[in-house]
Amino acid sequence: NAGVTQTPKFQVLKTGQSMTLQCAQDMNHNSMYWYRQDPGMGLRLIYYSASEGTTDKGEVPNGYNVSRLNKREFSLRLESAAPSQTSVYFCASNRGQTMNTEAFFGQGTRLTVV
Amino acid sequence: EDKVVQSPLSLVVHEGDTVTLNCSYEVTNFRSLLWYKQEKKAPTFLFMLTSSGIEKKSGRLSSILDKKELFSILNITATQTGDSAVYLCAVVYGGATNKLIFGTGTLLAVQP
Repeated sequence: NAGVTQTPKFQVLKTGQSMTLQCAQDMNHNSMYWYRQDPGMGLRLIYYSASEGTTDKGEVPNGYNVSRLNKREFSLRLESAAPSQTSVYFCASNRGQTMNTEAFFGQGTRLTVV
Repeated sequence: EDKVVQSPLSLVVHEGDTVTLNCSYEVTNFRSLLWYKQEKKAPTFLFMLTSSGIEKKSGRLSSILDKKELFSILNITATQTGDSAVYLCAVVYGGATNKLIFGTGTLLAVQP
């Protein structure tokens, strides 16, 4: 039972470098999400996709782009990483096209920007 | 400003104790409130609440929502060391486009 799979698990970037965080789910879910989690801040929504082909900004979208490649995959791209983007990133998915259902989370990516 | 506030921030109890965690919210057009447990890594779902006064229960955990006073509580009875985790509350709200806010969580430590 893979559920939601994120890669990589850890990454260190230099300021200005770019990278893409990958996320795939095998539960045939419609909606997918990217969150970041910082100490004392809780989980904050970066972007979400309610269905294949659609994406919407969340609470903290600046500095990020996303692609809903197909129903299974939702990637998060940092074009020019900044130290303020040091965080733990979680991908999640749920069955419906709204946030009103149980979400399943990946194991997280710990990103450090130096 | 829309917000979700959890209290206490942290809590240390002994095995067998009963704990109550609080989540209050101020949002426009409330839709649902969700509780998650986060141990080392990924949050895992506990409950979703949409109606006031209806208790959701799963083993030693239970939760209830008060939409008039704008809060929810999560109760854990007969705590065990395996209950040690961060407990997160999230509120879904909004009109045509749903929004979601997480609280900062309550860190629960259960000592043997």
